[in-house]
Amino acid sequence: EAGVVQSPRYKIIEKKQPVAFWCNPISGHNTLYWYLQNLGQGPELLIRYENEEAVDDSQLPKDRFSAERLKGVDSTLKIQPAELGDSAVYLCASSLGVSTGELFFGEGSRLTVL
Amino acid sequence: QKEVEQDPGPLSVPEGAIVSLNCTYSNSAFQYFMWYRQYSRKGPELLMYTYSSGNKEDGRFTAQVDKSSKYISLFIRDSQPSDSATYLCAGGKGSQGNLIFGKGTKLSVKP
Repeated sequence: EAGVVQSPRYKIIEKKQPVAFWCNPISGHNTLYWYLQNLGQGPELLIRYENEEAVDDSQLPKDRFSAERLKGVDSTLKIQPAELGDSAVYLCASSLGVSTGELFFGEGSRLTVL
Repeated sequence: QKEVEQDPGPLSVPEGAIVSLNCTYSNSAFQYFMWYRQYSRKGPELLMYTYSSGNKEDGRFTAQVDKSSKYISLFIRDSQPSDSATYLCAGGKGSQGNLIFGKGTKLSVKP
């Protein structure tokens, strides 16, 4: 069974440029998460989807970050414009539900903003 | 105060040693606790989970939760170089919330 797939694995951009990350969750997993992981820190939730609905986006900086999950499968996370402080790893995870905490993570997309 | 506190280390031990990794938490609403392992430049992978106080054993790994003192531990017996990774503890509140992760402890097991 394929795991959570993320792309691109690495992205280097200049500040003020836009960037987008894509995630394909495990088949059948209704819950999808985007996490931010700074160097030396644990993952921090940005947004959680239940099917197509964003049920928790309280930590998403909505002035520059946006996300969508069309048809309740793939998801895209966008940053526009990127700032130096956005340099981090963006992790996508999926689960069968939110009640167990058993998340399956992708390998992450590492963003460097110059 | 962060909801989950974890000493980031790094922790270096010789092969075969018993490793003890610890976290404390402040949120009494946490219903379950997880340990994730993260290799360098990889995503976290679930290692152990517990839903109640007490011990849970899986091979060389034992997860321990003490809800009275809000303390979470992971013990690794007969540690191997392949155990070298960052270990993340997390607490969760089920349908009422999301997993809250600690900073992670970086472990190095030397041959």
